Amino acid sequence: EPEVTQTPSHQVTQMGQEVILRCVPISNHLYFYWYRQILGQKVEFLVSFYNNEISEKSEIFDDQFSVERPDGSNFTLKIRSTKLEDSAMYFCATRGEVIGSEQYFGPGTRLTVT
Amino acid sequence: ILNVEQSPQSLHVQEGDSTNFTCSFPSSNFYALHWYRWETAKSPEALFVMTLNGDEKKKGRISATLNTKEGYSYLYIKGSQPEDSATYLCAFIGGSQGNLIFGKGTKLSVKP
Repeated sequence: EPEVTQTPSHQVTQMGQEVILRCVPISNHLYFYWYRQILGQKVEFLVSFYNNEISEKSEIFDDQFSVERPDGSNFTLKIRSTKLEDSAMYFCATRGEVIGSEQYFGPGTRLTVT
Repeated sequence: ILNVEQSPQSLHVQEGDSTNFTCSFPSSNFYALHWYRWETAKSPEALFVMTLNGDEKKKGRISATLNTKEGYSYLYIKGSQPEDSATYLCAFIGGSQGNLIFGKGTKLSVKP
């Protein structure tokens, strides 16, 4: 069964450093999402991406965040200058054409900012 | 602000017990309601995608109902087994981009 993969599984970084989280979507999916869960809180939407551009973003997704699909396969989330409060589990999800259809989640990247 | 609430927050049951969880969501701009099952260290996995008022879906011992007019969905597990232990997440889609608005989840523990 096709699956979404994410790397790395765990990333530890110092405050102020840049991090790039990577996701390989399911091959025929065109809609991509990033979500995150801070420990003990709800899973939160960050950004949706379609046709090589951001289609919607949340208030969390400020200028420190960016997404791209540089090579047509990997879908990346970059945090330019990490803060302590960016520590969370980051999930990539992808879906097919239908708006309400199932989203397939990757296993997540646990980001720890020290 | 769109808000999705789930109750209870956690549940401890004995093997064989039947149980149910509640998800409440905004009743306007409804596109879909998803239920996900999330085991520790694994990807959240979709159980049900529900789109129509009155929908009832079933997968083995697990079933779900949907009421979009009053903004709630129930998830039922009949005859719980230890392997049902997981966090069950409800997520609402209220916009055309399809982004999910999650509840906090119900953590189910089933004791043998």
